[in-house]
Amino acid sequence: AQKITQTQPGMFVQEKEAVTLDCTYDTSDQSYGLFWYKQPSSGEMIFLIYQGSYDEQNATEGRYSLNFQKARKSANLVISASQLGDSAMYFCAMREGHRDGGATNKLIFGTGTLLAVQP
Amino acid sequence: DAMVIQNPRYQVTQFGKPVTLSCSQTLNHNVMYWYQQKSSQAPKLLFHYYDKDFNNEADTPDNFQSRRPNTSFCFLDIRSPGLGDAAMYLCATSSYNQPQHFGDGTRLSIL
Repeated sequence: AQKITQTQPGMFVQEKEAVTLDCTYDTSDQSYGLFWYKQPSSGEMIFLIYQGSYDEQNATEGRYSLNFQKARKSANLVISASQLGDSAMYFCAMREGHRDGGATNKLIFGTGTLLAVQP
Repeated sequence: DAMVIQNPRYQVTQFGKPVTLSCSQTLNHNVMYWYQQKSSQAPKLLFHYYDKDFNNEADTPDNFQSRRPNTSFCFLDIRSPGLGDAAMYLCATSSYNQPQHFGDGTRLSIL
């Protein structure tokens, strides 16, 4: 069964420092997609970054980068130069594979990591 | 800006009184989703539409229904809300195989 594991319930980081949020996944599919979402206390889910399983380079979006290690089945999110506004819940998610092959439209979410950025 | 809009942002209803949450999108995405998220938990998919095709999750209670009258709009109907239905309800849209884009959510309270 497909599964996403986020082992860090909470993390602290000093403003302007980098932080890594861990995510490991389990799938037998050859083709899959991995996503990170940010959810501030106001509740909206904000798409941050995407990594496809066949992408040879790690995805980057501004201060966000994804450390994709396929053999280890990990897709850690790295936030550089943390800002106070980065304080939020962060969810790692994987697009669910279809039992008949290909991809469904459904996401499997991890349990999230609550990040607190300290001044 | 193209976006996913949920109304209202906060909804209060009485125990057992039907309530409807709405979602609209200007992204012209063919897939629309409804999630339920309880405090400190990950979002839980209730159902999704692929165009007009309705896909219900096996563990979604019968109390929850959905309508998608056209590409832009999708509604979540809770026929007889119970205290356990108090949650954040998130609508999302996507094109096939693309990232899902979420609205700001509707926080539902049950009195």
